[in-house]
Order: sequence, then structure tokens, then C-alpha cells
Amino acid sequence: EAQVTQNPRYLITVTGKKLTVTCSQNMNHEYMSWYRQDPGLGLRQIYYSMNVEVTDKGDVPEGYKVSRKEKRNFPLILESPSPNQTSLYFCASSRDRGRPQHFGDGTRLSIL
Amino acid sequence: TQLLEQSPQFLSIQEGENLTVYCNSSSVFSSLQWYRQEPGEGPVLLVTVVTGGEVKKLKRLTFQFGDARKDSSLHITAAQPGDTGLYLCAGEGYGGSQGNLIFGKGTKLSVKP
Repeated sequence: EAQVTQNPRYLITVTGKKLTVTCSQNMNHEYMSWYRQDPGLGLRQIYYSMNVEVTDKGDVPEGYKVSRKEKRNFPLILESPSPNQTSLYFCASSRDRGRPQHFGDGTRLSIL
Repeated sequence: TQLLEQSPQFLSIQEGENLTVYCNSSSVFSSLQWYRQEPGEGPVLLVTVVTGGEVKKLKRLTFQFGDARKDSSLHITAAQPGDTGLYLCAGEGYGGSQGNLIFGKGTKLSVKP
């Protein structure tokens, strides 16, 4: 079954404590991307990756890092989380760049 | 900065009615996607339109991409309660911005039986 798996699904943590949200896809897709969804602001792209070792900033990259060492994985790293990064995060993948086909179920992050 | 204006923001209709959701921008997009999202879940891709003027149908849903590739519409015929959800449009950047995706803020549709 085609899947994009995000972990964890929920996380409550404190300001400044580094965290990583993992994302894995089983479809051999080249394109992967991260988004955050906030009330009134909708979905906004954080980072995207066209292929292994190729990553690019989206519209709201500040405070986030990503890496793409293998095709299947695209972790999102918050080195020093702050309360304004409290949000619902989605990872997505697709065969065609810029056209995400499959989204994960989301990770709800609360940073106190 | 590219923007996608989606309208209406909210729509509450009775079963059997028709509706249209609009997605407009002053920017040209390489492609445009439509998604539906249920509460607590990730968006689900409905369709991708690529060519200006393109029309795609998915059962009772009709999607159109504007000739200039700046706007799109989603028309639902004879809406059913199962169509309830958040509808999102998303435009793919052009040229050097391919890979960059801009979302509209969504249309929350409620279809009452």
C-alpha cells in the first residue's frame, strides 16, 4: 500500500529542545516536501526536495532544517523550537516535482 | 510573492445543489492541484491540471484550468453529504520555482442532507 509515514503523530515539548519529525515513503518518489498548516493561514510549504541531496526552501523555512540522504526519508529538524512553531505539520511525496500526490497523516507539535 | 485567492471561504448548501469554488492568482502556474481534506487527516489529491484551458471530470466534479494558467475552478454537480470537507487548490511554481507549491486557504464545504 502506498504510504507516507510521519512520526511522531503528536508531540508536546519545550522551547529550545531539539526535535526531529521523521517522514518516510514507500513509493520510490523523487519529490518530497514539508508543510505546516495554521488556522487562517492555510498550508504553507517549508522545504522541498527534488531528489537525494537536493533540497530547497519553501515559503516559511526559518527555524527549520531538512536533509535527504536517502530517497525514502526526509526528516524535518527543529534545532531550537519556539512557540511560534506550534502547528500541524504534513509531509508529502510524489513522482512529479511540485505536485504532491500523497500526504502523511500529520504531526501535531505543541511547543511550550 | 505568489498568492492564490480561494473563494468562497465557507459554503453551506443542501444536498442536490450545485456549487463552484474559485482559485485565482495574478501569477502563472506550471500546474494546479485540487485536494480535499477531512478533519485530522492529510489532504487527498483529487486532480492535477497542467494545460491552459484544460477541463477534467471526476464523477460529479469538474475542474477547469484558466487559459492563462492563473486561475482554476471546481464545480460540483448535485452535491452529496459525502462531499463535505475542506477543498484546497495549490499552484506549482513556474520555471526556476518548480517544486515550490502555493496553497489557497481553502473552501470549507458543508452539504446538508
